[in-house]
Amino acid sequence: DGGITQSPKYLFRKEGQNVTLSCEQNLNHDAMYWYRQDPGQGLRLIYYSQIVNDFQKGDIAEGYSVSREKKESFPLTVTSAQKNPTAFYLCASSTTGWGLAKNIQYFGAGTRLSVL
Amino acid sequence: DQQVKQNSPSLSVQEGRISILNCDYTNSMFDYFLWYKKYPAEGPTFLISISSIKDKNEDGRFTVFLNKSAKHLSLHIVPSQPGDSAVYFCAASGGGTSYGKLTFGQGTILTVHP
Repeated sequence: DGGITQSPKYLFRKEGQNVTLSCEQNLNHDAMYWYRQDPGQGLRLIYYSQIVNDFQKGDIAEGYSVSREKKESFPLTVTSAQKNPTAFYLCASSTTGWGLAKNIQYFGAGTRLSVL
Repeated sequence: DQQVKQNSPSLSVQEGRISILNCDYTNSMFDYFLWYKKYPAEGPTFLISISSIKDKNEDGRFTVFLNKSAKHLSLHIVPSQPGDSAVYFCAASGGGTSYGKLTFGQGTILTVHP
């Protein structure tokens, strides 16, 4: 079954700690994305990557870091600089190119991060 | 500046009736609009889309209408079913940003009563 796997489902962070959220896809997609969802708000883009070893900041990148060493993997690190990390984090992937297909993003089930 | 807005946080509809979810946008450069459906504790799933060169797209019980002059789109679900109860997000792409980058609205919680 092709899809996107996020782990863990729930994560707790202590103050001053960095935590890493995992995202793996087997859809052979070039592009991957990280979003944050807060209650009553839409999804806000944190980082995205169109190709291996390259990534760009989204709208709310401060306090987060990513890497893209493999096509299948796009881990997100929530650093201690992110002062309000409690949220639902969603990873997505898509093809690249032209037309509608590149805009259809496929999402994982999400990771809920809470601060202890 | 929120470029995509869903002004109704929630909508309640009786089973069998029509559900109409609305979305407004400000950026005239958007070239694709998409609707996603999300159940609690799950990721959103793609539902239906429309290109900016069209004004209607239909897929089974779901129809999306686009009014470019008003910068408004709507999703119609007919007939509504209890399984349609979920959060619906509209999203837009293009607008001079990198390919594949979507801008999402805040979402509308749809509840379909049996």
